[in-house]
Parts: sequence; structure tokens; C-alpha cells
Amino acid sequence: DAKTTQPPSMDCAEGRAANLPCNHSTISGNEYVYWYRQIHSQGPQYIIHGLKNNETNEMASLIITEDRKSSTLILPHATLRDTAVYYCIVNRDLKTSYDKVIFGPGTSLSVIP
Amino acid sequence: GAVVSQHPSWVICKSGTSVKIECRSLDFQATTMFWYRQFPKQSLMLMATSNEGSKATYEQGVEKDKFLINHASLTLSTLTVTSAHPEDSSFYICSASDSSNTGELFFGEGSRLTVL
Repeated sequence: DAKTTQPPSMDCAEGRAANLPCNHSTISGNEYVYWYRQIHSQGPQYIIHGLKNNETNEMASLIITEDRKSSTLILPHATLRDTAVYYCIVNRDLKTSYDKVIFGPGTSLSVIP
Repeated sequence: GAVVSQHPSWVICKSGTSVKIECRSLDFQATTMFWYRQFPKQSLMLMATSNEGSKATYEQGVEKDKFLINHASLTLSTLTVTSAHPEDSSFYICSASDSSNTGELFFGEGSRLTVL
């Protein structure tokens, strides 16, 4: 079973920041928070991941609470192309663990013109 | 970045026939690949873990004799849906981890199977 909970859907106005929350209260000390998104009829796309520090890349920012029980993915300036299902996943380091990745239902983000 | 490619991207077949879907890691070696199935408006469901040079590990409820997985090389895994039926119509997605690089899990574009 997925170890995260996310709201099923969210709307965001184009050009505004999209803040997608994720709860992972049972996360273990060696588990990372990974975010992927899936645009309709495509394979999932990696966005960002982190362990405990906040992370930023060209796509998004990841804010992880100090107790690591929740996190927020931030798309700073949402565009229509960001409309997708966003999946928050907790897993050991995928670089070394070869763990199977279980997907929850995710959050369906609709960016509105 | 690393790329995982699937072929075919879509296929239509008659009930009772078998269909093979290929998953290739184009610029990295993957000892482990994963196969998922996704029905409309649902999340990805893990079917099996494909291990290079050994038997695949199937998730509970997935019929190994119906969904044959072969991982003959470090860059290729295949999923064969045998004796396909309309209820097998789905979006099949593979993934592979580029363990030599950033550790990201890369996904193929998906293969849409429609069984008539």
C-alpha cells in the first residue's frame, strides 16, 4: 500500500503558484520523498526528491517539514502544461535500493486559464 | 537525461492472440525494471519486477503464466500478454532505475493495448 495521502484534486490559476501537499506520517528515517507527475496518456515524469532538506530544481521546489511527516511540492508559476496527476512517493534511495515503487491515487492538478 | 523507450506505443489485437511489449533503456544499463498496468482514471498498479538473467517477481494477484516477462539483457525487458482478452485492455508502463547516475526512476511512454 502507498504510504502517502494526497488530496484527490486541486485547481490552480495559470501563472500562480501551485502548492501540492502530501502527508507521510509513517516515513522512516532512511526514506526519501519523491514526486512524479503523469500527463494524460504518458508515462510518469520525475520532478524532484529530497530526504530532509528543502530542494529546488528547474521544475519545482520541495518543502519538507522538520518532522518529515509532510511535504509540499511547489510549482512556482503554473502553466496549462502542468495539468497532470502528481504522485508523492516515499521510498528508500532509488539509486541503491532497487525497491519497487508503489503509486497511490495522487492529486489531479488542473491549471485553469 | 536517461531514456526508457517502449514499443509499440499502441496495439490493437483480437481476443485470444498474444502481444509482446518491449521496454528498452536507451543509454544506461538496468538490472531491474518494473512493469505497471493502469486502467482509465486509476493509478499505476505494479505488476512485476523484472530481473536481468533471472525470473520476474510478480505481485499478488498477477498471473505469471498470462503476463510473461523476459529480461534477457541489461537494456531490454519484454512483457507478453498471452491469450489476451478484452479485460486485458489497459495502459502498460515500464520503468527502470539508472543506478549509475542520479538514481531517478525513469518511465517509458507507455503502451496502450486494446483487445477486441
